[in-house]
Amino acid sequence: GNSVTQMEGPVTLSEEAFLTINCTYTATGYPSLFWYVQYPGEGLQLLLKATKADDKGSNKGFEATYRKETTSFHLEKGSVQVSDSAVYFCALRANTGTASKLTFGTGTRLQVTL
Amino acid sequence: KAGVTQTPRYLIKTRGQQVTLSCSPISGHRSVSWYQQTPGQGLQFLFEYFSETQRNKGNFPGRFSGRQFSNSRSEMNVSTLELGDSALYLCASSLMWTASSGANVLTFGAGSRLTVL
Repeated sequence: GNSVTQMEGPVTLSEEAFLTINCTYTATGYPSLFWYVQYPGEGLQLLLKATKADDKGSNKGFEATYRKETTSFHLEKGSVQVSDSAVYFCALRANTGTASKLTFGTGTRLQVTL
Repeated sequence: KAGVTQTPRYLIKTRGQQVTLSCSPISGHRSVSWYQQTPGQGLQFLFEYFSETQRNKGNFPGRFSGRQFSNSRSEMNVSTLELGDSALYLCASSLMWTASSGANVLTFGAGSRLTVL
């Protein structure tokens, strides 16, 4: 079956540091890949997505590239801010069939300090 | 435009009771799905509705049920509550129920946090 593996958190960084959160996946075929972010007390917000190999998703300074050869979708940001502190979830979904059945990783908590 | 609205945001129940959670999707979205989020199991898919029909179901016992109304609003119900049902229940909506090669994305609500005592 499908699965997503994320690096264990928490990740603690100083403001303006470089961020990488690793995500690898196992899936049948070529799924779409997503990063969602969850701020304290809130639901999930879509951060970025990529629907095919070599696609790069980007939003708010965050980027992730769909690497089929390494089955990875690592999240990066060049300079984090305190406001980026949240839990980040990597997820995948098949490109056919239902839109709603996402497989999520366990989440990685990011804490950014001044 | 308004996002996905879930009510109530917080609720406390005791074991054996039942609970009903409500979800209003984004205007024009016709597909609604539900997820359970717990510290131990993470985010797990419960079920999905489109045009008042359940299209897909996750691996949860029959105590978990849902429905969708003609205006696309959805409710989920959990009967005979157990301590392990304590969780954040997230609703998500999308335009259609098909993945459409990645174009159809989910928008989540803020969730309903259920505590079972």
